[in-house]
Amino acid sequence: LAKTTQPISMDSYEGQEVNITCSHNNIATNDYITWYQQFPSQGPRFIIQGYKTKVTNEVASLFIPADRKSSTLSLPRVSLSDTAVYYCLVGDISVGSARQLTFGSGTQLTVLP
Amino acid sequence: GAGVSQSPRYKVAKRGQDVALRCDPISGHVSLFWYQQALGQGPEFLTYFQNEAQLDKSGLPSDRFFAERPEGSVSTLKIQRTQQEDSAVYLCASSLLGGHGWFFGPGTRLTVL
Repeated sequence: LAKTTQPISMDSYEGQEVNITCSHNNIATNDYITWYQQFPSQGPRFIIQGYKTKVTNEVASLFIPADRKSSTLSLPRVSLSDTAVYYCLVGDISVGSARQLTFGSGTQLTVLP
Repeated sequence: GAGVSQSPRYKVAKRGQDVALRCDPISGHVSLFWYQQALGQGPEFLTYFQNEAQLDKSGLPSDRFFAERPEGSVSTLKIQRTQQEDSAVYLCASSLLGGHGWFFGPGTRLTVL
């Protein structure tokens, strides 16, 4: 199983772009990279998922270099409401293997006014 | 419903009591996961269902933990003879198939006194 390493915490200011990098040196060929956001007293919320290069949706972008040994979640122009824990998960998302996806300790992002 | 629901949201049990936690996944979702989240930690995998079949229960911490999904929709996590170390938030997640974007419920916070 691919182990992930993320910063424990990050601080940012409102309106700034925030980049959270996740290292996954032993990622396997079939593994995807998925990011989740979790607010206190809520379940994690899916943000974005990708396999290679760049993926963008309405809330974030995910950058994956060619060697796929790391990935960067980019949050444009953060607001106070983006303060949360962000988790990077790496693993095979096929039906038979998805149960092996594991959460690490996540990155606590604090957005300051 | 529009999302995954869990009940009760909060449960206080005396040590030794049995508890049952319910998860209503999104209609039509094949995959269902249970996770346990201790305070300040990431969610940890407990068990996985594909329709009514429990394909993986390797994360259940002891034989006091039992999960079922008899008709392939609603799932129940039962904990017998609760212990203080069982205190945690229990999260349920469902997905259409495998790991293509899990939808988490709000969780049940279990406190064992």
